[in-house]
Amino acid sequence: DAKTTQPPSMDCAEGRAANLPCNHSTISGNEYVYWYRQIHSQGPQYIIHGLKNNETNEMASLIITEDRKSSTLILPHATLRDTAVYYCIVRVATSGTYKYIFGTGTRLKVLA
Amino acid sequence: DTEVTQTPKHLVMGMTNKKSLKCEQHMGHRAMYWYKQKAKKPPELMFVYSYEKLSINESVPSRFSPECPNSSLLNLHLHALQPEDSALYLCASSQERGEWKATNEKLFFGSGTQLSVL
Repeated sequence: DAKTTQPPSMDCAEGRAANLPCNHSTISGNEYVYWYRQIHSQGPQYIIHGLKNNETNEMASLIITEDRKSSTLILPHATLRDTAVYYCIVRVATSGTYKYIFGTGTRLKVLA
Repeated sequence: DTEVTQTPKHLVMGMTNKKSLKCEQHMGHRAMYWYKQKAKKPPELMFVYSYEKLSINESVPSRFSPECPNSSLLNLHLHALQPEDSALYLCASSQERGEWKATNEKLFFGSGTQLSVL
């Protein structure tokens, strides 16, 4: 199964862009990259996902390198409420269904 | 309704107790998941049900027994747990429309059950 690696923690000033990297060098061609975040001990919340192309939605942008071995989640204007643990996840097709395999996570702290 | 509801929110049990965790969704999703999350660690997949059949068991000890009575409900039966089983147990669901429509699949998580085993 593909695995992801993330830096354990990052700080970002409020109002600035937060760029969170993820390495997934063993990803296969049909495996999607997902990003979720988790605040305190609540359930993880979906942010964005993609396969090859860059993606943008109302929450964030996802930049995937051409070789698909890494990606970056961009929160364009971080707020204090964006302080959370961010997980980079690979979705693997197996046994007729999907496994969503979590990376180690990056604890993002947005500073006032 | 885009919610996954888990009950109870908190559970304390002894090592000889039998208890059950419950998860419910009414989004018409056909895949349901159990994850276990220890403090300051990422969620780890335990089980996946697809169309009410157990598709994935990630070598979970038999003291954890999943059950999917219908497409909206998922249970996790607990028996003879150990203190190291104390964790946040998360349920999730996804639409699972088949490979050719897999582009917009995503997981919806419940808020979890915080389990303490004494």
